Amino acid sequence: SQQGEEDPQALSIQEGENATMNCSYKTSINNLQWYRQNSGRGLVHLILIRSNEREKHSGRLRVTLDTSKKSSSLLITASRAADTASYFCATATISSGGYNKLIFGAGTRLAVHP
Amino acid sequence: GAGVSQTPSNKVTEKGKYVELRCDPISGHTALYWYRQSLGQGPEFLIYFQGTGAADDSGLPNDRFFAVRPEGSVSTLKIQRTERGDSAVYLCASSLTENTEAFFGQGTRLTVV
Repeated sequence: SQQGEEDPQALSIQEGENATMNCSYKTSINNLQWYRQNSGRGLVHLILIRSNEREKHSGRLRVTLDTSKKSSSLLITASRAADTASYFCATATISSGGYNKLIFGAGTRLAVHP
Repeated sequence: GAGVSQTPSNKVTEKGKYVELRCDPISGHTALYWYRQSLGQGPEFLIYFQGTGAADDSGLPNDRFFAVRPEGSVSTLKIQRTERGDSAVYLCASSLTENTEAFFGQGTRLTVV
């Protein structure tokens, strides 16, 4: 079952514009991770934000986390055609055995046009 | 190795056959995950190992699926009596601990004909 839901499902923008993707989840988390995937194969880790953090930056990426609203956002600034990919959020939740379980949403497909 | 390695990268098998998919995690990573991804969807959780034990196998769809990690490193996902609906990309990931970044392999694309 999916824990996170990304919004929008698809996003189309021009190069140079900013892209914002949102993720909502249902249960308490230990951390939330954003991933990128090109052509349906391996996922590339982008950023991990812990439940006690509110914002993190990495290059052109900015992630926010609002645990009261159970939501996160990923902002890509000054987008490039090479940013075209699917982006997924994944939440690390405590499973019944007391261990973290990493659950993915359905993703946002981002298309950046030159 | 430098990253998570999955073999084979592609596997075509006939309906009813048995397959094994292998995952070599990053050295020293204690946590290992298996996921299944169908076209246009997010990765679906199958099983999570902490060390040698399966900490959570709640995502395995039925008893045809089984995974092992006998020495706490390499893991094998085993599928018996494969069905066409098992066709998907099977992804493996590992992380240093359970609360750190998970790194993925390139996946094994399984096609059941």
